[in-house]
Amino acid sequence: GAGVSQSPRYKVAKRGQDVALRCDPISGHVSLFWYQQALGQGPEFLTYFQNEAQLDKSGLPSDRFFAERPEGSVSTLKIQRTQQEDSAVYLCASSLAIQGQKNTEAFFGQGTRLTVV
Amino acid sequence: AQSVSQHNHHVILSEAASLELGCNYSYGGTVNLFWYVQYPGQHLQLLLKYFSGDPLVKGIKGFEAEFIKSKFSFNLRKPSVQWSDTAEYFCAAKSTNAGKSTFGDGTTLTVKP
Repeated sequence: GAGVSQSPRYKVAKRGQDVALRCDPISGHVSLFWYQQALGQGPEFLTYFQNEAQLDKSGLPSDRFFAERPEGSVSTLKIQRTQQEDSAVYLCASSLAIQGQKNTEAFFGQGTRLTVV
Repeated sequence: AQSVSQHNHHVILSEAASLELGCNYSYGGTVNLFWYVQYPGQHLQLLLKYFSGDPLVKGIKGFEAEFIKSKFSFNLRKPSVQWSDTAEYFCAAKSTNAGKSTFGDGTTLTVKP
């Protein structure tokens, strides 16, 4: 597709359930980012991949959060034992450029809205 | 710590009014700056960006922003808003040698017809 695709668009999980969120970046984009956007706030950085390498995971809020991008394309964000505070929109973004290059405009997907009940 | 602050949470304007949304950042070193827009039900879209050079940046749909280094500001402006500009606007910043961006909390703009 032409843009960043995320699935599912909506996910309702019972507290304690594990969830997996998928991101298909724009073809050829080297960089991939995950952000968490709580209601009424701006996106907050979770983690960054350059190809298959996870170069920055400083934003992951706990060890229940895990992300992977094994072949340098599709990425999955997994949340184990979900809690109510995990309820948010999870955004994926991709960029053609690598970290350090000037033109690092990122393109965002529509996000996955996770509600933990 | 790196941070971005947007002064207004909610702005209400009538059509044809002028718009200015404030954005201040706190970053060490050289910074790249962005304004994104999110229309209802849609994904974040880039309005404009500043990397270097002319501090007055023009974006899509008649928007512009001015980078004032001495004030650590990157305010968004539009001379005459339209009803279709109703959306949420996010300011973001990143270091030139980093991948991640830091976002402000957003400003919701409502334009009354």
